[in-house]
Amino acid sequence: DSGVTQTPKHLITATGQRVTLRCSPRSGDLSVYWYQQSLDQGLQFLIQYYNGEERAKGNILERFSAQQFPDLHSELNLSSLELGDSALYFCASSDAREGRNSPLHFGNGTRLTVT
Amino acid sequence: GNSVTQMEGPVTLSEEAFLTINCTYTATGYPSLFWYVQYPGEGLQLLLKATKADDKGSNKGFEATYRKETTSFHLEKGSVQVSDSAVYFCALRPSNRGSTLGRLYFGRGTQLTVWP
Repeated sequence: DSGVTQTPKHLITATGQRVTLRCSPRSGDLSVYWYQQSLDQGLQFLIQYYNGEERAKGNILERFSAQQFPDLHSELNLSSLELGDSALYFCASSDAREGRNSPLHFGNGTRLTVT
Repeated sequence: GNSVTQMEGPVTLSEEAFLTINCTYTATGYPSLFWYVQYPGEGLQLLLKATKADDKGSNKGFEATYRKETTSFHLEKGSVQVSDSAVYFCALRPSNRGSTLGRLYFGRGTQLTVWP
């Protein structure tokens, strides 16, 4: 168990809808990262937060947004969903005190299916 | 830029065979290097890491050595088991200033299947 909790595990929704994915990082981890995993694109970095502030942005669509709350949990919002958004969405966290050598600890992901 | 290239899969081996999964990287300076493993239906788990040139990371019989001269971090195991069947990802974190909390750059993953 990595200590990173993601909910829900599975999500099935229709095109055009909006969903929210939730992530609780490991206790004490200030950094949260979101990745999208699909068969054709592999693992794509979406966005990173550190202690409530956005730190880095990757290949995140404008239809997607995220935030990190004061209790450090994070939410990824996906709107105007398209079939191509179907993927596994992973959240990861890391301990800033370990510096650049700190690994990412991943949750088990949310599998999103857009029909 | 930063990138990771790992050998295309799938890799299929018999139990007790020797495993090598090649990984090379492009990065400035001295990145930290990682191998992750993903079992079916699960998230990625850290397998091993190395943080400077010539470091050897090891865990559960797997090893990888940080080779700066060849910009490589190949994963090896002397005798694989059926339970090693999974997808393996090579990753780096750049060493450039300001990346203390930076993201990891991942390779595309290599599917390993071990038959009894």
